Amino acid sequence: NAGVTQTPKFQVLKTGQSMTLQCAQDMNHNSMYWYRQDPGMGLRLIYYSASEGTTDKGEVPNGYNVSRLNKREFSLRLESAAPSQTSVYFCASSELVNTEAFFGQGTRLTVV
Amino acid sequence: GESVGLHLPTLSVQEGDNSIINCAYSNSASDYFIWYKQESGKGPQFIIDIRSNMDKRQGQRVTVLLNKTVKHLSLQIAATQPGDSAVYFCAEVNAGGTSYGKLTFGQGTILTVHP
Repeated sequence: NAGVTQTPKFQVLKTGQSMTLQCAQDMNHNSMYWYRQDPGMGLRLIYYSASEGTTDKGEVPNGYNVSRLNKREFSLRLESAAPSQTSVYFCASSELVNTEAFFGQGTRLTVV
Repeated sequence: GESVGLHLPTLSVQEGDNSIINCAYSNSASDYFIWYKQESGKGPQFIIDIRSNMDKRQGQRVTVLLNKTVKHLSLQIAATQPGDSAVYFCAEVNAGGTSYGKLTFGQGTILTVHP
């Protein structure tokens, strides 16, 4: 049972490059989330999708876009990466909005 | 531990002691709360949850208390063990209203358990 799978695990980008972080869950969950976590800090919500077909901004959406491709997949896109986007990115999913969320192992992104 | 400044507060305890980790949440409309544990290099893991119609919930060695009047959550860990050393986060969800489904995290507390 894979749970929440994120790819890639590590990535180095140059300033201005674009990339998409992939997230897939195999638990038939309705809700999915993207967070960033900076060193020694908490998790900040970037975007979330309460159900398939909907997406909403979180606390720090600037510089990011998301796509809820289907019920399983929720991708995060950086159109023009900036050093300030260096962080660890976590994807999560939950069956319903008021049930526990399960997290992936994270993507460590460095923008130089 | 209480949330101060931008960096995570810390709590140090001796093995076998009880630990209490505190969290102030922000949205009075939140109606579902979760505690997570995060070990180094890993994603957060669920510990225990509580709904807003309750003020206390117990699990194995853990208890969560909810005080909606002052928007405060606490996590009590009984007989703390070295394996409990991690960062602990509270999270809140508003399951209704304009922020439906928005799962946001509190600042977190670093728990260190000394043998």
